[in-house]
Amino acid sequence: EAEVAQSPRYKITEKSQAVAFWCDPISGHATLYWYRQILGQGPELLVQFQDESVVDDSQLPKDRFSAERLKGVDSTLKIQPAELGDSAMYLCASSPSGTGNTEAFFGQGTRLTVV
Amino acid sequence: GDSVTQMEGPVTLSEEAFLTINCTYTATGYPSLFWYVQYPGEGLQLLLKATKADDKGSNKGFEATYRKETTSFHLEKGSVQVSDSAVYFCALSDSGGSYIPTFGRGTSLIVHP
Repeated sequence: EAEVAQSPRYKITEKSQAVAFWCDPISGHATLYWYRQILGQGPELLVQFQDESVVDDSQLPKDRFSAERLKGVDSTLKIQPAELGDSAMYLCASSPSGTGNTEAFFGQGTRLTVV
Repeated sequence: GDSVTQMEGPVTLSEEAFLTINCTYTATGYPSLFWYVQYPGEGLQLLLKATKADDKGSNKGFEATYRKETTSFHLEKGSVQVSDSAVYFCALSDSGGSYIPTFGRGTSLIVHP
């Protein structure tokens, strides 16, 4: 069964350092999402891609976060510099198309701890 | 904007008890509604969905009915098992919100033997 792949599963970094997460969506899925999930809360959207284009990044803290999906397939989310408040689970999800009836398929996430 | 409100947890039940987790929503368009489940340390998995009013989604003994008149999508199961212990998220995807999946805060379910 096809899955969304994310790496690494866990990352510990010191504050002010740079960190990057990678996501490979299900083959053929045009829509890719990055969510941040703080412990005890629901996922909150950071950025949505349709193919290689950003559809929505209104909640992405652009002073320190960046995301790219250069060839419209896999994607990288970067944080520089990391802050203590960035500790969270970062979830990647994909969908065949952003038309609402189809669910998002999630990866296992990257658990980030900033010390 | 779009939003989802879930009952606060944790919900603690004995095995074979009846489960209800309440979910209500606010949307500008005609949303599709979803329930996802998250096991510790894992990503979210789709449990069930409904795409229009009065639809009933069902899977693994769980059910939820899309009630447009009450803007609700409550999750139910007749007899829970210890293995159902997890966090459950209600979500919507709405044309008015560019179809971006929007999630509730989640409800933790703990089932005791």
